[in-house]
Amino acid sequence: LAKTTQPISMDSYEGQEVNITCSHNNIATNDYITWYQQFPSQGPRFIIQGYKTKVTNEVASLFIPADRKSSTLSLPRVSLSDTAVYYCLVGPTGKLIFGQGTTLQVKP
Amino acid sequence: AAGVIQSPRHLIKEKRETATLKCYPIPRHDTVYWYQQGPGQDPQFLISFYEKMQSDKGSIPDRFSAQQFSDYHSELNMSSLELGDSALYFCASSLGYSASTDTQYFGPGTRLTVL
Repeated sequence: LAKTTQPISMDSYEGQEVNITCSHNNIATNDYITWYQQFPSQGPRFIIQGYKTKVTNEVASLFIPADRKSSTLSLPRVSLSDTAVYYCLVGPTGKLIFGQGTTLQVKP
Repeated sequence: AAGVIQSPRHLIKEKRETATLKCYPIPRHDTVYWYQQGPGQDPQFLISFYEKMQSDKGSIPDRFSAQQFSDYHSELNMSSLELGDSALYFCASSLGYSASTDTQYFGPGTRLTVL
């Protein structure tokens, strides 16, 4: 399973766009990139998944360059309620291997 | 929309006791996963079941066992509890076991405290 590296923490202000980059240099051909959000004492919540190029849904966008060795989660116009831990996961199969996530702190 | 249901939500046990955690997946989901999250740690995969058969195994202690029943609900049985077993236990479910379609939906978790 590909190892991921993401910043330990990030700060932002309400209304700003936040980009969290994840490195996964040894990603395999059949690996997908998935991002989860977790609030304290709650189960992780699926945000977005992609394989290549760009994926967008109602809450976020995921940018994946052609070499797929990194990915960037983009959260538009964050609010205080987006304060959470964000996990980047890479793998081919069902089980999720959580590495150290990024703690995003949104300030007023 | 229906979500994953876990019971109980909180459980307090003494050392060396046993505990059983239950998970009811989203209707029509056939795959169940169990994760353990210790205080200040990231979730760790324990075990998964697809169509009532064990599909993958992670860092699950030998003292723990799990199964998926005919109605797709799953139970995690934990024996000889240790203080270090105190954690949040999450169950997740998905439709199928394909990397492109197996988005996992997590339940609210069971907080197990071992005294």
